[in-house]
Amino acid sequence: AQSVTQPDIHITVSEGASLELRCNYSYGATPYLFWYVQSPGQGLQLLLKYFSGDTLVQGIKGFEAEFKRSQSSFNLRKPSVHWSDAAEYFCAVGAGTGANNLFFGTGTRLTVIP
Amino acid sequence: DAGVIQSPRHEVTEMGQEVTLRCKPISGHNSLFWYRQTMMRGLELLIYFNNNVPIDDSGMPEDRFSAKMPNASFSTLKIQPSEPRDSAVYFCASGRSSGANVLTFGAGSRLTVL
Repeated sequence: AQSVTQPDIHITVSEGASLELRCNYSYGATPYLFWYVQSPGQGLQLLLKYFSGDTLVQGIKGFEAEFKRSQSSFNLRKPSVHWSDAAEYFCAVGAGTGANNLFFGTGTRLTVIP
Repeated sequence: DAGVIQSPRHEVTEMGQEVTLRCKPISGHNSLFWYRQTMMRGLELLIYFNNNVPIDDSGMPEDRFSAKMPNASFSTLKIQPSEPRDSAVYFCASGRSSGANVLTFGAGSRLTVL
């Protein structure tokens, strides 16, 4: 069965510092991978997705993620964090095509210190 | 496109009362999902529909919860009778059941049961 693990519940970084949020997945085939962001009081917004091809994908708001099959990972990165990036970040894996095959991790809360 | 529209945004009710949450998916999306988010349990999938038909309701916590999708542009999630432990943010999301499985989320309905 497919699953997603986000090992960091809460991360604190200083504004301007680099960021990496970890995501590991379990799935027998090539997965579809996603990162969503949830700002306080808001719904989840898609940051980026990986379906195939280049393993380094660019998303909105300056985020990128790299798919590493050998490590079953899809870590999210940003070179310089802004205070507005403070939010909760969810990694998700899609088991095949179709929106009904999406499984979410438990989320990582990001705090940004001025 | 106005995105996924949920109402009400906030609901405060007393234990035992009926609660109805509403969702309008994005036009052209044929899959609709209801999620519940709490601090303790994170994001939980309650039920999803394909082409207005309920496909998997195994996440619905108990018989007090019911969901309907009478047409492609409207869905409801009903709790009757409500209990304090139902307090949560309920999200509706829509997508396509084929091709890229990208979900678009609504802003959520925050329910407080006193």
